[in-house]
Amino acid sequence: DAKTTQPPSMDCAEGRAANLPCNHSTISGNEYVYWYRQIHSQGPQYIIHGLKNNETNEMASLIITEDRKSSTLILPHATLRDTAVYYCIVRARPNTGNQFYFGTGTSLTVIP
Amino acid sequence: NAGVTQTPKFRILKIGQSMTLQCTQDMNHNYMYWYRQDPGMGLKLIYYSVGAGITDKGEVPNGYNVSRSTTEDFPLRLELAAPSQTSVYFCASLGQGPDTQYFGPGTRLTVL
Repeated sequence: DAKTTQPPSMDCAEGRAANLPCNHSTISGNEYVYWYRQIHSQGPQYIIHGLKNNETNEMASLIITEDRKSSTLILPHATLRDTAVYYCIVRARPNTGNQFYFGTGTSLTVIP
Repeated sequence: NAGVTQTPKFRILKIGQSMTLQCTQDMNHNYMYWYRQDPGMGLKLIYYSVGAGITDKGEVPNGYNVSRSTTEDFPLRLELAAPSQTSVYFCASLGQGPDTQYFGPGTRLTVL
């Protein structure tokens, strides 16, 4: 599975959009981009995933560049409860090993 | 559904002691995983299983053993606890449909 690079930390004002970038320049054609988040001491929580089209769900939007070498997770109206570590993962699907490799992620702090 | 449950929530072990971390899921998922997370770090895969009777090593398997006798249960065994195994342990399962992992609440283990 391809490696990902994320900034270690970011701040965002409450009510504003939080844009979390991820670089995955070695991504292969069959690899999806997944985003998870981990709120302090809890197990990670799935947010969204996509292949090449932009995706939106009730939690967030995922924008993937045309060359698929980077993506951005957008939390449209950040709240204090969105303070968490956000992990960007690329993974082939289907993947017979079904392994997810978590890096160190981006620590997002939402400021009142 | 209770989802993924883990017991115990906390445990302190002395060096050389043994213990089993329990993990159970009620979603009939074939794939299950054990991760460890050291302070300030991302998750590292210890072992995983693609179904009952089938297990395989992840990134950091040394010092651990697993078994998968049923679809529901995936216990993690520490035979000779060492201080380096002080960590938070997360169990997760993966369904075929949405292809997303569901995590348990974690077990916080301290080895003194």
